[in-house]
Amino acid sequence: GQSLEQPSEVTAVEGAIVQINCTYQTSGFYGLSWYQQHDGGAPTFLSYNALDGLEETGRFSSFLSRSDSYGYLLLQELQMKDSASYFCAVQTGANNLFFGTGTRLTVIP
Amino acid sequence: DTAVSQTPKYLVTQMGNDKSIKCEQNLGHDTMYWYKQDSKKFLKIMFSYNNKELIINETVPNRFSPKSPDKAHLNLHINSLELGDSAVYFCASSSFLTVDSLNEQFFGPGTRLTVL
Repeated sequence: GQSLEQPSEVTAVEGAIVQINCTYQTSGFYGLSWYQQHDGGAPTFLSYNALDGLEETGRFSSFLSRSDSYGYLLLQELQMKDSASYFCAVQTGANNLFFGTGTRLTVIP
Repeated sequence: DTAVSQTPKYLVTQMGNDKSIKCEQNLGHDTMYWYKQDSKKFLKIMFSYNNKELIINETVPNRFSPKSPDKAHLNLHINSLELGDSAVYFCASSSFLTVDSLNEQFFGPGTRLTVL
């Protein structure tokens, strides 16, 4: 079967750094994506890693290690508006995204 | 302009009814999807269409039937609704994804379906 594991909940302080881990076991692997979803909203794309290493986009960075079937999303200088659910998703084939169960991040003052 | 739109936003209906959800995208994408997000927030792909052709059909009851009249539209029709169908349904679109392409899907605002 296929699985993606990520923590269900994370709490962090405003201004801090938080890392959300994702380990995966899938039948195919093209790359690892991260999506953000606010309560009542739609998932929005944050980042994509097809190759090993770190991708940085502003305050957000994403890392992938294909040999370890592992990735993480790093959020820096946390803001209250970053409180949301974060999903890792594996592209298992052309046009097929398999999503994790999501990590609910709560940023506290 | 809204990139991916869905109607209706909310749908409340009785068990056994048939209902449809419409989706349109104006991004010029040739691939569209339907996802189901349950109460535990698990987001699962149901269908994927490329240029009006079905390319992914996950294990979904055949009461669910997608229809793509053109590559900008992908509608979802559900027959004989059951309590377990209650969820948020998201439509999404993307360019046709390959191993070399940036993997980004654009999601619609969702349709919250409640079956009573």
